[in-house]
Amino acid sequence: KAGVTQTPRYLIKTRGQQVTLSCSPISGHRSVSWYQQTPGQGLQFLFEYFSETQRNKGNFPGRFSGRQFSNSRSEMNVSTLELGDSALYLCASSFGAGVRTGANVLTFGAGSRLTVL
Amino acid sequence: GQQLNQSPQSMFIQEGEDVSMNCTSSSIFNTWLWYKQDPGEGPVLLIALYKAGELTSNGRLTAQFGITRKDSFLNISASIPSDVGIYFCAGQLLNTDKLIFGTGTRLQVFP
Repeated sequence: KAGVTQTPRYLIKTRGQQVTLSCSPISGHRSVSWYQQTPGQGLQFLFEYFSETQRNKGNFPGRFSGRQFSNSRSEMNVSTLELGDSALYLCASSFGAGVRTGANVLTFGAGSRLTVL
Repeated sequence: GQQLNQSPQSMFIQEGEDVSMNCTSSSIFNTWLWYKQDPGEGPVLLIALYKAGELTSNGRLTAQFGITRKDSFLNISASIPSDVGIYFCAGQLLNTDKLIFGTGTRLQVFP
């Protein structure tokens, strides 16, 4: 069973540009969550999608957005990039949403490392 | 954003030693999860805890859900070089589906 696949793995952008990151969840998983990981802040929750609907959203500015497609694949977009957006962006999938038990426990991808110059 | 207080921030130990790390909060949780992240990879689930007082083992790893529901600890016995990585706790707040991650404990094991 393939794991969570994130593309691209590495990318470099300059300030002011925008970026789109992609996540393919484990087959059969309908929930996709996105996290930003930085050395000083740990894992910060961005948003969660379930059946193409955003269920929860973290405390990030509107420059951060996402969507989920009917096949459960998800993308996140960051517009007008800032230096502080440099981070590892992690996607995690689960069968369902809500209480993290059993099949609802998050399985993470390897992440997309974004560097903003 | 909200985070759990995870300590220690980093540990440098010798192979064969035991390791202990913990997460504390002023909030009450209904689930505790412990993840390990290897360099260049995403976090991988080690142990999941669902009841106050629950003690669960996974090989050389043992984790407990604190009886106050506000804390959890993870022990690693007889550490080996492949234990190197960052360990994260994650707690799901009571009566919510909000999952909060600790800041991580970076473990280095020397032969």
